Amino acid sequence: DAKTTQPPSMDCAEGRAANLPCNHSTISGNEYVYWYRQIHSQGPQYIIHGLKNNETNEMASLIITEDRKSSTLILPHATLRDTAVYYCIVNPLRSSASKIIFGSGTRLSIRP
Amino acid sequence: DSGVTQTPKHLITATGQRVTLRCSPRSGDLSVYWYQQSLDQGLQFLIQYYNGEERAKGNILERFSAQQFPDLHSELNLSSLELGDSALYFCASSSEGSSYNSPLHFGNGTRLTVT
Repeated sequence: DAKTTQPPSMDCAEGRAANLPCNHSTISGNEYVYWYRQIHSQGPQYIIHGLKNNETNEMASLIITEDRKSSTLILPHATLRDTAVYYCIVNPLRSSASKIIFGSGTRLSIRP
Repeated sequence: DSGVTQTPKHLITATGQRVTLRCSPRSGDLSVYWYQQSLDQGLQFLIQYYNGEERAKGNILERFSAQQFPDLHSELNLSSLELGDSALYFCASSSEGSSYNSPLHFGNGTRLTVT
């Protein structure tokens, strides 16, 4: 499985867009990019995932570069409730057996 | 609400004891994953079950075991508990449909404290 690299921490002003980068330079063609977040001690929450096209849902947008070696999660209007640890994970189109490994993530702080 | 239910929410026990953590996956999900998260640590993958069978194993200690029952609920058994086993234990489920790219949905965890 490809490894990911994320900055350990970031901050963003409330109401502004939060852009969280993730490098996955060894990603292979069948591997998806997933984003989850964990708000203090709660269960991680799925945000979005994509293969090669940009994706958008009610929570966020996912921008994947053309070479697929990096991606950016965008929270368009960050609120204090978006303060969390954000995890970028790369996983292949899975068989029924999967080790889904979480890295250290990015701790996002939203300032008022 | 993710639809994944974990019980109990909190558990306090003594060293050397044995406990069982329970997870009910989302309706229709066939895969169950267990993770351990120690204080200020990342999520450590323990084990995965798919439709009743063990399919993937992570850094799970020999003192720990799990199973998934015919109704698809899962239990994680922790025995000979040590202080270092104090952690949050999360269960996640996924549908693993024909495309196998469905995301994980996590429960709110069981906080285990070993004294």
